[in-house]
Amino acid sequence: EPEVTQTPSHQVTQMGQEVILRCVPISNHLYFYWYRQILGQKVEFLVSFYNNEISEKSEIFDDQFSVERPDGSNFTLKIRSTKLEDSAMYFCASSHSPNRETLGQYFGPGTRLTVT
Amino acid sequence: RKEVEQDPGPFNVPEGATVAFNCTYSNSASQSFFWYRQDCRKEPKLLMSVYSSGNEDGRFTAQLNRASQYISLLIRDSKLSDSATYLCVVIITGNQFYFGTGTSLTVIP
Repeated sequence: EPEVTQTPSHQVTQMGQEVILRCVPISNHLYFYWYRQILGQKVEFLVSFYNNEISEKSEIFDDQFSVERPDGSNFTLKIRSTKLEDSAMYFCASSHSPNRETLGQYFGPGTRLTVT
Repeated sequence: RKEVEQDPGPFNVPEGATVAFNCTYSNSASQSFFWYRQDCRKEPKLLMSVYSSGNEDGRFTAQLNRASQYISLLIRDSKLSDSATYLCVVIITGNQFYFGTGTSLTVIP
């Protein structure tokens, strides 16, 4: 069964450093997403991406964040200058159909980001 | 204001029991609804979409009540492997998913 993959599984970085989290969505999917989940809290939407541009973003997704699809397979999330509060699990997800009722998203295993 | 609210539980039920979770959403313009499950420190996994007429998938039944703005998930004949956190997810507009905080279920032997 096709799956979303993410690398690395765990990233430790110092405050102020830039990090890039990588994702390979399911190959025939058209919509791509990033979410984060701070330990013990709910999953929070960051951004959605379709047709090579951001389609929606939340208030969490400020100027420190950016996304890119540099080639036909990868989808990346960059945090320019990490803060302690960016420590969280970051999930990438993808979906295929624009049909609302079947627009389920498939999540990758996540990257645990620890900012020290 | 929370877009999606769930009773966090925990629900502790014996094997074979029937258990139901409810979830309420605040925005009447909400368009699509899903149940996901999340195991500890793992990614959310799509359990089922919730259709307007309600739908069933094996031991799982999902219902939508637009008038009262809630969705439900019923699990029959609970298995040990059903132990997880169940997440209610709502799309209001576009592709932005709103997750509830989840309801924790533990099925006891």
